Amino acid sequence: RKEVEQDPGPFNVPEGATVAFNCTYSNSASQSFFWYRQDCRKEPKLLMSVYSSGNEDGRFTAQLNRASQYISLLIRDSKLSDSATYLCVVPSGNTPLVFGKGTRLSVIA
Amino acid sequence: EPEVTQTPSHQVTQMGQEVILRCVPISNHLYFYWYRQILGQKVEFLVSFYNNEISEKSEIFDDQFSVERPDGSNFTLKIRSTKLEDSAMYFCASSYIGQGDQPQHFGDGTRLSIL
Repeated sequence: RKEVEQDPGPFNVPEGATVAFNCTYSNSASQSFFWYRQDCRKEPKLLMSVYSSGNEDGRFTAQLNRASQYISLLIRDSKLSDSATYLCVVPSGNTPLVFGKGTRLSVIA
Repeated sequence: EPEVTQTPSHQVTQMGQEVILRCVPISNHLYFYWYRQILGQKVEFLVSFYNNEISEKSEIFDDQFSVERPDGSNFTLKIRSTKLEDSAMYFCASSYIGQGDQPQHFGDGTRLSIL
């Protein structure tokens, strides 16, 4: 099983839509999780940290299901500026981050 | 907001040459990292560095690679005898604490092109 696996994408959604991405991870010892966004040929930027069952920040909600080793990211009222690749990131050991391949989102006017 | 800065933004080098990629981490951060991303692939961990020594490294980080903190601000990645497959984006990151539950902040990367 891959360490971090994400929905393949791409997701093409109209402005205002709600979209959800899924991520599964293999390291059952992981205690924290992150969603980063990455614009084309740019650096990953932290979107949300998830330490307990979930986290909400404005239009973005992350949920964690430890039993199923599953994390989701929900984006409500999608905007054109949300178009990016969303990376599910799980720490491995003390410091290295393990990245998923990412899910590409395109929000269309 | 403090940032991780990287130079150069783009480096073009002949195969077999040595390159040094430079990073200035956020000033009060103690842990430093290098990652790379080959075009179209996922971000991969290379090495982490704390207290002037390597704390963890991946299989990718072989004898061709080395890291150094030559002064109080810079953190460098040296790649000796570059190969075509070293072409990638190289991201430096830093964090205040080195525990896995602390997010890492990334620089905007150096695009390395080996010819």
